[in-house]
Amino acid sequence: GAGVSQSPSNKVTEKGKDVELRCDPISGHTALYWYRQSLGQGLEFLIYFQGNSAPDKSGLPSDRFSAERTGGSVSTLTIQRTQQEDSAVYLCASSLGRGFEAFFGQGTRLTVV
Amino acid sequence: AQSVAQPEDQVNVAEGNPLTVKCTYSVSGNPYLFWYVQYPNRGLQFLLKYITGDNLVKGSYGFEAEFNKSQTSFHLKKPSALVSDSALYFCAVRGDTGRRALTFGSGTRLQVQP
Repeated sequence: GAGVSQSPSNKVTEKGKDVELRCDPISGHTALYWYRQSLGQGLEFLIYFQGNSAPDKSGLPSDRFSAERTGGSVSTLTIQRTQQEDSAVYLCASSLGRGFEAFFGQGTRLTVV
Repeated sequence: AQSVAQPEDQVNVAEGNPLTVKCTYSVSGNPYLFWYVQYPNRGLQFLLKYITGDNLVKGSYGFEAEFNKSQTSFHLKKPSALVSDSALYFCAVRGDTGRRALTFGSGTRLQVQP
């Protein structure tokens, strides 16, 4: 596709359930980022993939959060045993590399009830 | 470590007046600097970037930004604001070395009054 695609666009889950969020980056983009944004707030960095290098996981808030990127393309962010404080918009972005702008998807709005 | 500061939560300006949204940064090595805009219920859109070269960079929708190395700043400017410019603006930085991701500021809400 022409842009970064995220699915689902909205997800409501019960506290304690696991969720998987998907990101399809722009074809050929070697860098992929996950951020989350609470209502009207700034972007909190979660994890960064660059090519075949080990991902930068320094932003993951707890061991309930994990992400993988298969084949250098699609990425999945998994949140286990969701908590209410996990409710936010999860944003994925991709870029050609270090000096290039990142293009963002529309995000997945996660609501934990 | 790298960081971005946007000292103003909100900037108010009258339509037709010039606007400035402030951004300062801290990074190892040389900075790559970006501005993004987020309209209500929309994703982030890229406005402009500084990688190297001329300190004044021009971007989308008439916006420009000036890179000042000595002040470690990258303020966003527009000569004449429009009501439609009202949105949330984010500054972001990463260094030209290491493998850190883009670091974003906390955002500045721009309100342009008719």
